[in-house]
Amino acid sequence: DAKTTQPTSMDCAEGRAANLPCNHSTISGNEYVYWYRQIHSQGPQYIIHGLKNNETNEMASLIITEDRKSSTLILPHATLRDTAVYYCIVSVAWAGNNRKLIWGLGTSLAVNP
Amino acid sequence: DGGITQSPKYLFRKEGQNVTLSCEQNLNHDAMYWYRQDPGQGLRLIYYSQIVNDFQKGDIAEGYSVSREKKESFPLTVTSAQKNPTAFYLCASSYGGGYQPQHFGDGTRLSIL
Repeated sequence: DAKTTQPTSMDCAEGRAANLPCNHSTISGNEYVYWYRQIHSQGPQYIIHGLKNNETNEMASLIITEDRKSSTLILPHATLRDTAVYYCIVSVAWAGNNRKLIWGLGTSLAVNP
Repeated sequence: DGGITQSPKYLFRKEGQNVTLSCEQNLNHDAMYWYRQDPGQGLRLIYYSQIVNDFQKGDIAEGYSVSREKKESFPLTVTSAQKNPTAFYLCASSYGGGYQPQHFGDGTRLSIL
């Protein structure tokens, strides 16, 4: 059972910021939010993850609301190569001290020229 | 460059035949994973290995087997008991089974002749 809800698809103009929303209203206090993306017929690519604070790296920024029930992935200047399916994932406790990623269907982002 | 290598990229299996998918990583990661991806579904965990000579069944382990004799290698065998093996298979690794992000190979697409 996916613990996140994302829009099925989104469009963005090339050069503009892409803001991808995600709801995770049942997230627990020690569960991280991860973002991956997948280009057709390739493996998923890790983008960013966070717990409470906003995070930024060379690929994107992750904004997590104070109540942690939702988050937004921001691609600051989208390019055509950012066209992909974006997955927002919450990990769940599994098999002792391990965590398991629960994958949904993601958001298909189309960056248009 | 460090990474995860899956081979072959495409694989065909005859009815009643076992096939083995290769996964090798040079990231010095302890944990390794196998996932299955079907159209219209999220990734589902088949097997997980936290350390050498130890592995655990995921959500859909029936009809699959694995071994972990070396830290770098985690081959997956799709046995004849797997009645619907046609899928995209993804291998991943991480520094641990906890909060560290998983990194993926580019997958093997298995089809039945």
